[in-house]
Amino acid sequence: EVQLVESGGGLVQPGGSLRLSCAASGFTFSSYSMNWVRQAPGKGLEWVSYISSSSSTIYYADSVKGRFTISRDNAKNSLYLQMNSLRDEDTAVYYCAKGIDYWGQGTLVTVSS
Amino acid sequence: QSALTQPASVSGSPGQSITISCTGTSSDVGGYNYVSWYQQHPGKAPKLMIYEVSNRPSGVPDRFSGSKSGNTASLTISGLQAEDEADYYCSSYTSSIPYVFGTGTKVTVL
Repeated sequence: EVQLVESGGGLVQPGGSLRLSCAASGFTFSSYSMNWVRQAPGKGLEWVSYISSSSSTIYYADSVKGRFTISRDNAKNSLYLQMNSLRDEDTAVYYCAKGIDYWGQGTLVTVSS
Repeated sequence: QSALTQPASVSGSPGQSITISCTGTSSDVGGYNYVSWYQQHPGKAPKLMIYEVSNRPSGVPDRFSGSKSGNTASLTISGLQAEDEADYYCSSYTSSIPYVFGTGTKVTVL
């Protein structure tokens, strides 16, 4: 059974940093691309970042480019999202997703002073 | 890259059929057969219902079907059931970024 468990969310002040993690199990993690997708409270889904299976290809949404960094450790079956220079508008539930098919339950990031 | 356009809400009675549209451009929906549909119940993670325009993952009822014409994709729910009440989102591969999502549609079962 595919399982994706996000962690690392919490309350952070504007301008601060946070690192999200996603622990994967139930599939061959190193064979699949991964994504981060977020959802602001009461709003729709927004794709944030993509990383290929070997980390050779990475994409970011314009809204986070230059502030967020996606990475993965295939030996640890883990996906990460380093978020710097956080803004109020980054407040959202952050989901990690295996390709486009399986999603974790999400971790809430709140940016507020 | 702008979000794909979906109707804000669609409703139907149990047993009826409803269709949700998802309109993009030739750079996303119209240019690729990589349109997916997700169902999201309140407080839950999205669940993949349709991938590559019209394919259903294992376990998804065949009441759910997808199609595409030009720059518009559609999700049809036949034989609407109470548990189908949820938010639905489309997504598409694009020429510039891997994914763009739709604005979302709230489905209400009357």
